[in-house]
Amino acid sequence: ETGVTQTPRHLVMGMTNKKSLKCEQHLGHNAMYWYKQSAKKPLELMFVYSLEERVENNSVPSRFSPECPNSSHLFLHLHTLQPEDSALYLCASSRQIGETQYFGPGTRLLVL
Amino acid sequence: AQKITQTQPGMFVQEKEAVTLDCTYDTSDPSYGLFWYKQPSSGEMIFLIYQGSYDQQNATEGRYSLNFQKARKSANLVISASQLGDSAMYFCAMREGPNFGNEKLTFGTGTRLTIIP
Repeated sequence: ETGVTQTPRHLVMGMTNKKSLKCEQHLGHNAMYWYKQSAKKPLELMFVYSLEERVENNSVPSRFSPECPNSSHLFLHLHTLQPEDSALYLCASSRQIGETQYFGPGTRLLVL
Repeated sequence: AQKITQTQPGMFVQEKEAVTLDCTYDTSDPSYGLFWYKQPSSGEMIFLIYQGSYDQQNATEGRYSLNFQKARKSANLVISASQLGDSAMYFCAMREGPNFGNEKLTFGTGTRLTIIP
């Protein structure tokens, strides 16, 4: 596989569930990102990791918990989400922070 | 103030015609980067083209070119000879500051381009 992959592609969960989104990049990049894309709103940066260390956390609610076990993998752990958290969650990676970001296909999340 | 403004929510263009998608930006930083991404209905954001603020020439990548007018703070995307597969959302984005250590991309609200056969 090449590029940035994300699983699952679609997810429906209740507000009391716990689930995780997975992102994997096969580009040898050192930086990885989580974005949220809601309808009719600009893409919002949620978290940034560089060499497995978090460098950015844009005031994201604690019900979203990122994890970066190595430079190729990034997770977003979800618990007790709200319906307004329904969105497309995009993962991206770049060779270094500040360089061109390459995105995965996203996970479409619906919270009921 | 909006950092990135895309004033065209939607555009319809005849196949094989050229398309210009508008993007204006706002920054006081002399060093910045501008990006265009394409997002088909499948959801993936596909990187198209990049322009650095100090680049002397307009960026080009195949059928894509960036009309960079620094004084006007505009970075319009031009697609030549449009194809049906160009139908998608297009996002303009900006990174303020030099490459190193500046991770944040600010995105515009996008333009939905529809190519008509």
